[in-house]
Amino acid sequence: DAGVIQSPRHEVTEMGQEVTLRCKPISGHNSLFWYRQTMMRGLELLIYFNNNVPIDDSGMPEDRFSAKMPNASFSTLKIQPSEPRDSAVYFCASSHGQGAPGYTFGSGTRLTVV
Amino acid sequence: SQKIEQNSEALNIQEGKTATLTCNYTNYSPAYLQWYRQDPGRGPVFLLLIRENEKEKRKERLKVTFDTTLKQSLFHITASQPADSATYLCALVTGNNRKLIWGLGTSLAVNP
Repeated sequence: DAGVIQSPRHEVTEMGQEVTLRCKPISGHNSLFWYRQTMMRGLELLIYFNNNVPIDDSGMPEDRFSAKMPNASFSTLKIQPSEPRDSAVYFCASSHGQGAPGYTFGSGTRLTVV
Repeated sequence: SQKIEQNSEALNIQEGKTATLTCNYTNYSPAYLQWYRQDPGRGPVFLLLIRENEKEKRKERLKVTFDTTLKQSLFHITASQPADSATYLCALVTGNNRKLIWGLGTSLAVNP
């Protein structure tokens, strides 16, 4: 398996633009997580899917953020409109369940909003 | 309030020595605790898991201890190598929902 695949690796966009981040989890993993990482706050869970269904979206900061998982092999995180304070590294991770031993993370998307 | 804390200052050690990293928590009753390694520009990579009823877990040069009385986990790397230089994150798993609560990580630099 190629691991968790995220795209793009880097994204620079202007404030107000729509940003879409993509993730392909590991085949057979039934849980998918979107995290945001900053120096000040570390890893913050944005949303958690189990079997393609959103279970916990309490970490989604505002209505500007939305996430979908249309099937077991693909998920998107969308920010519309983007703001400079959204600049961070966004990680997707998958596992055999929330809290299961060993989440597998993608390499992340570094988002810069100018 | 609930907190999980790791050494905020970077740890610098000489090659061959043992590195010891600390993870402290308050007001949690963790079911277990995980340690991850993160290299620059990469996502965290799972290393070890230790359960609340385990005192110690080993994997090659890595050793993790878990003291639920002290509310602390220690992560040791013996015979450290420059390739061990990275940021190490601890994550508690707690509650019925098994949510992971992450520390901010400790940066380790092993000097040749």
